[in-house]
Order: sequence, then structure tokens, then C-alpha cells
Amino acid sequence: AQSVTQPDIHITVSEGASLELRCNYSYGATPYLFWYVQSPGQGLQLLLKYFSGDTLVQGIKGFEAEFKRSQSSFNLRKPSVHWSDAAEYFCAVGTNTGNQFYFGTGTSLTVIP
Amino acid sequence: DSGVTQTPKHLITATGQRVTLRCSPRSGDLSVYWYQQSLDQGLQFLIHYYNGEERAKGNILERFSAQQFPDLHSELNLSSLELGDSALYFCASSVPSGLRTRNEQFFGPGTRLTVL
Repeated sequence: AQSVTQPDIHITVSEGASLELRCNYSYGATPYLFWYVQSPGQGLQLLLKYFSGDTLVQGIKGFEAEFKRSQSSFNLRKPSVHWSDAAEYFCAVGTNTGNQFYFGTGTSLTVIP
Repeated sequence: DSGVTQTPKHLITATGQRVTLRCSPRSGDLSVYWYQQSLDQGLQFLIHYYNGEERAKGNILERFSAQQFPDLHSELNLSSLELGDSALYFCASSVPSGLRTRNEQFFGPGTRLTVL
């Protein structure tokens, strides 16, 4: 069965420090992978996506993610975190039919000044 | 602004009642997805419509139903409401006409439902 696991429920980092949010997926075919960010009381905003090709994808706000098929992972990274990055981050996998998407339970990011 | 609109923003109702949530997808998008987000369940996929037809069902209760109209807007109907139905309900759209693959979803701001 398809699933997405975000093992870190909550992460706290200092402003300016690097960040890595983990995501592991389970899907039988080639996955479409996404990272979304949700600020309090807001909808989800797409940060980046992977469909095929280069396994290192760049997104908005200085984020990047790397697809590792052998590890079934799609970890999100940012070299230097800003206070405005504090939010909830969701990893998702989409089926190749586009009929369904599976979301992880989210990682809450706190940024310390 | 994602281009997806949802109304109302907030809804307060009582147990046993019925409500309708509305979603207008981005212009030209054919797919509409509904999600429920609660503190204990995370983001749960409910149902997907593509160009008026149901394409996939997730963890949607029998008390819930949805439809997509010819103008592509969608409504999620929640009936016999229970306290546990209190949550944020999101709509997302994707798939511009003529582009069948490479789906990515654009989310609306959500409707916060409170059942008292």
C-alpha cells in the first residue's frame, strides 16, 4: 500500500543553521513526489516537486530536495534557515494516474532567533 | 494566492446538522480533490473528481458526499455531523485541460468546520 512517512514530528533549528526534513515513501511505481509548506491558518503551498530526471530538485524559498530511489526517500533541505520558514511541512506522493495523493503526517519546524 | 477558492472560511454548526462546502478550482483545472485535516489524523484524502466524474475515494465517510458540476466547481456535503467532524477541509485542484499527467495540486485556503 502507498504511504508516506515523516519520522520527525517536530524540529527546532537556530536561524541561519542548515535544515533537513526527512521523508520516506512506499509506492510500487515511479512516484511523483512533492513537498508542501503550511503556515498557521493557511492552505498548503507547493515548495517543489519531482517527476523524473535530475534527482536533485530546486524549489521556492531556497529549498531543495533529493530523490533517492534506493532509499525510497525524498528529503528536503535548506542551507540557511530564516525565521519566516517556521511552519508545517508535508511530504506527499502522487500516483502516476494523478487520481490520488498520499501525505505524510507533517513536520513542524520551529526557528530560534 | 493559489487561484483555488473555498467558501465559507468558517462554519459553526451543531451535531446532527448538514453543511455544504464549496470549492472553485483554478481556471482551466479539471481535477478537484477534497481533504480533511484534523489534529489527530493529519491530512486525509477524501475524494477526487475529474471533469465531473468521481475518480478515487479515500477515507470518506458514508455521511459525506461530493460532486463536481459542469462548471467544474465542487461541493462537499457533510451530514449527520458529529463532534469529531470538526476539522479543516481543504480543496485542491490540478490538471489543466490538455495536460493529463504531471499532476501537482494547488490548495485553497480551507474551510474550518466547528461542530458543537
